[in-house]
Amino acid sequence: QQQVKQSPQSLIVQKGGISIINCAYENTAFDYFPWYQQFPGKGPALLIAIRPDVSEKKEGRFTISFNKSAKQFSLHIMDSQPGDSATYFCAATQGGSEKLVFGKGTKLTVNP
Amino acid sequence: DTGVSQNPRHKITKRGQNVTFRCDPISEHNRLYWYRQTLGQGPEFLTYFQNEAQLEKSRLLSDRFSAERPKGSFSTLEIQRTEQGDSAMYLCASSPQVNTEAFFGQGTRLTVV
Repeated sequence: QQQVKQSPQSLIVQKGGISIINCAYENTAFDYFPWYQQFPGKGPALLIAIRPDVSEKKEGRFTISFNKSAKQFSLHIMDSQPGDSATYFCAATQGGSEKLVFGKGTKLTVNP
Repeated sequence: DTGVSQNPRHKITKRGQNVTFRCDPISEHNRLYWYRQTLGQGPEFLTYFQNEAQLEKSRLLSDRFSAERPKGSFSTLEIQRTEQGDSAMYLCASSPQVNTEAFFGQGTRLTVV
């Protein structure tokens, strides 16, 4: 049973465009929602994270939008750059558990 | 380098052999995690340590897998009698406390032939 569903599987965006990646979750006990960025041959690195008490969090060009009632959250990358080309994973965890549950990932390609 | 360090980076082994991986977490991080990542998938949780105590284990961690963190610092993950299905990237991560950033290492890529 996949607890965090991520879409799309791949995404191609032109430089300067907006990249949008969506995730949906099932477990209403989840209370921490990070996004990770992974380059080939590297481990995932935390990009930005949100808790369900806020609907949006922005850090630079990266924004998380969170919809608690719909059990969905999304990552927006503004002014996408070729250096943003990587695989992005949404994840979730719940209080009392140390386990991060990851989506299957979105491979983002930003064309110059 | 003060990040999470994993060794070896790559391991090729024959089916049936035992392998051991090492993870050195960020100094003073008391939480240490092991994840497995197969091609095209997100990381899957295997196990978690708080200091030297192994507090959570996934059902993915079969009897052939064992993890230790004997002194609450580095950790080892051993796979006995490897199978081709064990081929994956094994990721280690550490964090200073619950629900904070987990810092991942670069992983050990295991290939079982």
